[in-house]
Amino acid sequence: EAGVTQFPSHSVIEKGQTVTLRCDPISGHDNLYWYRRVMGKEIKFLLHFVKESKQDESGMPNNRFLAERTGGTYSTLKVQPAELEDSGVYFCASSQELRSDEQYFGPGTRLTVT
Amino acid sequence: GNSVTQMEGPVTLSEEAFLTINCTYTATGYPSLFWYVQYPGEGLQLLLKATKADDKGSNKGFEATYRKETTSFHLEKGSVQVSDSAVYFCALQTGANNLFFGTGTRLTVIP
Repeated sequence: EAGVTQFPSHSVIEKGQTVTLRCDPISGHDNLYWYRRVMGKEIKFLLHFVKESKQDESGMPNNRFLAERTGGTYSTLKVQPAELEDSGVYFCASSQELRSDEQYFGPGTRLTVT
Repeated sequence: GNSVTQMEGPVTLSEEAFLTINCTYTATGYPSLFWYVQYPGEGLQLLLKATKADDKGSNKGFEATYRKETTSFHLEKGSVQVSDSAVYFCALQTGANNLFFGTGTRLTVIP
């Protein structure tokens, strides 16, 4: 069984540009989460999808971030326009049950905004 | 609110040394507690968990006990190996489904 995959593994963009991160969850997992780790700090929750619906987006930092999950399969996280403080590692996770003990994480996308 | 405070690193140990990584938490309600590990180049993996007070989670020689009275979930291993070198994250989960993480502790084990 394939794990959670994320693309790209690393992205370097200039301030003001747009970047789209992609996450493919484990097949059959209805729950998909986005997290972010900025500059070696704690990993922070961004949002949670149940199938194609946003269950909780309380962690989204501002309206420059847009997450979608069309069809309830893969998800994208777009940052537009990117700012320097958006640099960090973006993790995606998926789980099968709504109140699951284990979330399966992808390897992360390292975003560098210069 | 919910938060996790864990021991800052980096931690460098010799092979076969005893490991403790401290973790304390603040939470509303009764959280489940986790340790995740990130090996170089990989995603986070669940190492162990405990869902209620006094539970002990264990895996791969690592242990952590859910201490409600001290709001702690310290990670321990009696004899570390070079292959244990990784970043360790303490985390909690309450009624909401998202996880709250600590800042991570980088462990390096030298031969």
